[in-house]
Amino acid sequence: QVQLQESGPGLVKPSETLSLTCSVSGDSITKHFWSWIRQPPGKGLEWIGHIYHTGRSNFNPSLRSRVTISVDTSRDQFSLKLRSVTAADTAVYYCARVAVDEDIVLEPADMGPNRYYYYGMDVWGQGTTVTVSS
Amino acid sequence: DIVMTQSPVSLPVTPGEPASISCRCSQSLLHSNGYNYLDWYLQKPGQSPQLLIYLGSNRASGVPDRFSGSGSGTDFTLTISRVEAEDVGIYYCMQALQTPTTFGPGTTVDIK
Repeated sequence: QVQLQESGPGLVKPSETLSLTCSVSGDSITKHFWSWIRQPPGKGLEWIGHIYHTGRSNFNPSLRSRVTISVDTSRDQFSLKLRSVTAADTAVYYCARVAVDEDIVLEPADMGPNRYYYYGMDVWGQGTTVTVSS
Repeated sequence: DIVMTQSPVSLPVTPGEPASISCRCSQSLLHSNGYNYLDWYLQKPGQSPQLLIYLGSNRASGVPDRFSGSGSGTDFTLTISRVEAEDVGIYYCMQALQTPTTFGPGTTVDIK
């Protein structure tokens, strides 16, 4: 059974960097794409970005200047760094698997999940609450 | 960005009765490969979102067959054939055609 577990500080000071790690068990991080999504208190879901095991990544333009997503294939982990945080970055942060079948190439020119047959964000972590406050 | 809208905002349901949620998108989600890049997710109270439907109409593994997805282009529908008490929560549609991936605002389903 595939499981994802987010970890990292629950409290970050304004202007500092939020750092989270997602640990993957039951599957290899060298398959599929891996995403970060967040949900501010009482609000909806916002996609932050995704990464492939090669390090190829894509981000929400609204956050691109502040976001880094990296992958550690030796540990089956991927990480999120969000710089210069403000109170608006307070949210529950989820990691999720974007399942694809890499044996079915649909769009050779596409470097994202749509390059392959796509199965949706089929496994999610339990989420971790990050509060930005001094 | 592709803008997603959902209706209704809130949906009180009676167990055993059908229910449906609409999702509309600011541009077509039909790719040239023939697939509609529209997913449905359910976030039960206090839980993470869970995948129900991918590519418009494909049920995810383990999802009961009372859930079905339909539609193409810009208009999609999630239908629950017979609502059960465990189906309460917030339902989100999500487009995966273009980055940034975007979600609808959600539809809250609760029991009458």
